[in-house]
Amino acid sequence: DTGVSQDPRHKITKRGQNVTFRCDPISEHNRLYWYRQTLGQGPEFLTYFQNEAQLEKSRLLSDRFSAERPKGSFSTLEIQRTEQGDSAMYLCASSLGGGDGYTFGSGTRLTVV
Amino acid sequence: DAKTTQPTSMDCAEGRAANLPCNHSTISGNEYVYWYRQIHSQGPQYIIHGLKNNETNEMASLIITEDRKSSTLILPHATLRDTAVYYCIVRAEAAGNKLTFGGGTRVLVKP
Repeated sequence: DTGVSQDPRHKITKRGQNVTFRCDPISEHNRLYWYRQTLGQGPEFLTYFQNEAQLEKSRLLSDRFSAERPKGSFSTLEIQRTEQGDSAMYLCASSLGGGDGYTFGSGTRLTVV
Repeated sequence: DAKTTQPTSMDCAEGRAANLPCNHSTISGNEYVYWYRQIHSQGPQYIIHGLKNNETNEMASLIITEDRKSSTLILPHATLRDTAVYYCIVRAEAAGNKLTFGGGTRVLVKP
């Protein structure tokens, strides 16, 4: 297990289409986080899971966004009816405990055309 | 979580120490100082964190002032591969565990 994996690395989609991203955390990490990053900005928190429970969601996570972590392993982030404003890098991170540093994946870059 | 203030950008010479300042004047007693960096097209990478005492690891040193209102990240011998955006974040362990990133400092290491 070499780190946090995200798939795909890049996604181009037409406005109005649905997209789904996958994150595979470090296997022993029980916490998983999703962030969004637009050009020139720092990452913004979207949501986090402890095991399979989604414990916090940002106001940035509109009704078109849904995240799941079945069985407390991998996670998916789905965006329905994509808009151009959804174009960003979507980052996933995992950690073992609350005080530990996160390990981030390389992200999925979404472009909505 | 307390807000942080960092310079927008800074240059440093390859092989020299890079000292990255961060102000966090409203930090609370239970908040830690974390540093991450993000190299172009990659996810952020954890560097170091501390509460009160100075910390050192294989990547960097963290110096926290006695009043904890500011800190400095030190890269002892900067290399070209240290060119990145460096984020200083303060976070309480129980604060939902999320990290709140600011704009960071864009560090350019020059040969």
